[in-house]
Amino acid sequence: EAGVTQFPSHSVIEKGQTVTLRCDPISGHDNLYWYRRVMGKEIKFLLHFVKESKQDESGMPNNRFLAERTGGTYSTLKVQPAELEDSGVYFCASSQELGDTYNEQFFGPGTRLTVL
Amino acid sequence: SQQGEEDPQALSIQEGENATMNCSYKTSINNLQWYRQNSGRGLVHLILIRSNEREKHSGRLRVTLDTSKKSSSLLITASRAADTASYFCATTDSWGKLQFGAGTQVVVTP
Repeated sequence: EAGVTQFPSHSVIEKGQTVTLRCDPISGHDNLYWYRRVMGKEIKFLLHFVKESKQDESGMPNNRFLAERTGGTYSTLKVQPAELEDSGVYFCASSQELGDTYNEQFFGPGTRLTVL
Repeated sequence: SQQGEEDPQALSIQEGENATMNCSYKTSINNLQWYRQNSGRGLVHLILIRSNEREKHSGRLRVTLDTSKKSSSLLITASRAADTASYFCATTDSWGKLQFGAGTQVVVTP
């Protein structure tokens, strides 16, 4: 079974440009999460999809960030326009349906974004 | 505010030595998890300990949990160079959202 995949693995862009990150969760996983680690600091939650709906987007830093999950499959995270402070590693994770028991989140390898 | 906070922030040891790092959290939890991130790679889930457990082992890893002190520790025994990584503790809310601490950077030298 394929794990969570992310594309690209690394993106270098200039300030003001647009970048779109993609995450393909494990097939059948309803829950999809985006996190990021900026400047070697703590890993912070960005948002959570349940299928195609945004369950929680409280961690989105500002309106330059737009996440979508059309059809409840893969998700994209667009940063427009990118700023220097957006540099970091963006992780995606997925898990099965939530219930009373814990559902492990499986992480992708991350996308390293560098804004110059 | 951060849910999980680790200390030390950085740890440098030699191969064969043990590495211990601690994590504190603020609110009630159902479980606490530890993750590892090797440089340039993704997060790897190491171990989960539930709130009704006090200690858990997985290979060379030992995790303890003290809910009265809202703290957890991760012990890596007989460390190897491949254990060089950042280690994070994380708690989970009811929707599965993970709240990570700042992490402990562990460097194991041969």
